[in-house]
Amino acid sequence: AQKITQTQPGMFVQEKEAVTLDCTYDTSDPSYGLFWYKQPSSGEMIFLIYQGSYDQQNATEGRYSLNFQKARKSANLVISASQLGDSAMYFCAMREGLGDYKLSFGAGTTVTVRA
Amino acid sequence: DSGVTQTPKHLITATGQRVTLRCSPRSGDLSVYWYQQSLDQGLQFLIQYYNGEERAKGNILERFSAQQFPDLHSELNLSSLELGDSALYFCASSVREGLSNEQYFGPGTRLTVT
Repeated sequence: AQKITQTQPGMFVQEKEAVTLDCTYDTSDPSYGLFWYKQPSSGEMIFLIYQGSYDQQNATEGRYSLNFQKARKSANLVISASQLGDSAMYFCAMREGLGDYKLSFGAGTTVTVRA
Repeated sequence: DSGVTQTPKHLITATGQRVTLRCSPRSGDLSVYWYQQSLDQGLQFLIQYYNGEERAKGNILERFSAQQFPDLHSELNLSSLELGDSALYFCASSVREGLSNEQYFGPGTRLTVT
């Protein structure tokens, strides 16, 4: 079964506007972590933000915030005030507490920021 | 720059050949992970090492093997290469194995099998 689902293959957003990238996950483990990574066209994977399953507050890092809805098993990434440099592929990933610490990735969402 | 280095950046080789990809983790990071990114499979976890010991295996083919050396650098060996092995191979590292420890990714090695 797919552990991470990203249903939006591609999105367009106007510069300076906010964009929300959807991510739903599937786990029976009560202890897990959720991550978002950015992959620009150059190929490297850049860590953006982390949310733990027991964290009471939604994570924020600068213009990135994570809308964590545990009951719905969703962890949407919000990018505020989009910039041209935000154009990239964005991956949601999960690490589960039991067993190994590998990351399971979603298929990714391509974001294109328009001037 | 994540601090994780990978060599070579690009590799072109023929089917049936064997290649070695090298990764140096960030200074102080004990855990190394290998991932494969391909168009059809997406990002897949291959294998993890922690302080020289193999800790977890994912969708790694028997033709692939890896190791982590005492200086903590890691190598991924791919043998009897097939066209389908063409992909971007990432190495990532983290300080520990904890749930919240983010993994820092290297720039990747792009392997093309012809």
